[in-house]
Amino acid sequence: DQQVKQNSPSLSVQEGRISILNCDYTNSMFDYFLWYKKYPAEGPTFLISISSIKDKNEDGRFTVFLNKSAKHLSLHIVPSQPGDSAVYFCAAYNSGTYKYIFGTGTRLKVLA
Amino acid sequence: NAGVTQTPKFRVLKTGQSMTLLCAQDMNHEYMYWYRQDPGMGLRLIHYSVGEGTTAKGEVPDGYNVSRLKKQNFLLGLESAAPSQTSVYFCASRTGAGANVLTFGAGSRLTVL
Repeated sequence: DQQVKQNSPSLSVQEGRISILNCDYTNSMFDYFLWYKKYPAEGPTFLISISSIKDKNEDGRFTVFLNKSAKHLSLHIVPSQPGDSAVYFCAAYNSGTYKYIFGTGTRLKVLA
Repeated sequence: NAGVTQTPKFRVLKTGQSMTLLCAQDMNHEYMYWYRQDPGMGLRLIHYSVGEGTTAKGEVPDGYNVSRLKKQNFLLGLESAAPSQTSVYFCASRTGAGANVLTFGAGSRLTVL
């Protein structure tokens, strides 16, 4: 029972264009959502987050959108840079259980 | 400030052997988590702890045990390793209040032959 899904295993984008990574969840009890970036042979690093009471959060080139009715969130990276090439994980947090559930990840490749 | 440190970084075991992975954090974090990462499976929660002396099961707890005897350390044990436990293991921690951001260690790669 995959509670958090990232249906696109990979994505290729030209440098300077927008990258859009998507994530769907099934559990309405999640109240906080996060995006992590992971390079090979390293641990995931935090990128951006959003509370369930908001629908948008922006930090520089990164924006996360949350659509609670659709149980969908997305990460927009504008403009994309070659250094953004990594695996991106979305995660959902349930403050009632203290659990963070991660998606399967999307490998982003930004082409120079 | 080292953050979250995992030892060992690499280990090869034979089926049936036991071992313990150590996670240490120096940020005085209350909550600690163990995940495993497998191709196509993402990060799956094994066990977690919301304070010293407490532990709880995650999504895939079978075959693992944990202990949190000291606040700064979270140990993950494999009593009888199986090839299905070949994976990369990540530990993470966070403060008990305020920001909900997990800080991860660099990972421990375990191979069970």
